[in-house]
Amino acid sequence: GQQVMQIPQYQHVQEGEDFTTYCNSSTTLSNIQWYKQRPGGHPVFLIQLVKSGEVKKQKRLTFQFGEAKKNSSLHITATQTTDVGTYFCAALSNDYKLSFGAGTTVTVRA
Amino acid sequence: ETGVTQTPRHLVMGMTNKKSLKCEQHLGHNAMYWYKQSAKKPLELMFVYSLEERVENNSVPSRFSPECPNSSHLFLHLHTLQPEDSALYLCASSQDLTSGNTIYFGEGSWLTVV
Repeated sequence: GQQVMQIPQYQHVQEGEDFTTYCNSSTTLSNIQWYKQRPGGHPVFLIQLVKSGEVKKQKRLTFQFGEAKKNSSLHITATQTTDVGTYFCAALSNDYKLSFGAGTTVTVRA
Repeated sequence: ETGVTQTPRHLVMGMTNKKSLKCEQHLGHNAMYWYKQSAKKPLELMFVYSLEERVENNSVPSRFSPECPNSSHLFLHLHTLQPEDSALYLCASSQDLTSGNTIYFGEGSWLTVV
């Protein structure tokens, strides 16, 4: 199935700062999804990107799909303690399997 | 409330025990999944069911046995597990298996094998 690589694995952020996490694939993706898992919780769907170059925003979160549809990024501005958790990207293979990246675990320093 | 309910939330079992994890979805979805989440590993897809028919078995050891009696319920029967099977087991559902479907996860069952 699709392999998606996420970097960085860990992101330690000062409250109020911005950061970006990246998701890369060696193959073209039909779409990409992002999920967030709070500590002790379960993954929760955030967004799906489908079109080349697509950009979507959710308050302080900006999601982007690369022009070649091989990579995606999640940028968070003015990080808050509520942003703590692990962010996963997930890509659908040419059938139906949703392959998850290893995730970026975000911690926030107050 | 995710619409996907898993029980038990926590389970401790010995290596010779037989136990089952239960999942129920209230979303009217046709596809259900079992994922395994271990520390420092990506989410691993274990089983996929579509309309009660298994369509995926990702080389999962036979000590894990899924059962899908109807489109709303999914079980994972556990038998003679190993300590390395300790993990968070997540049930999920989606409308169907077509591209672009959102996966809805349950809260997970934390399994500890002693």
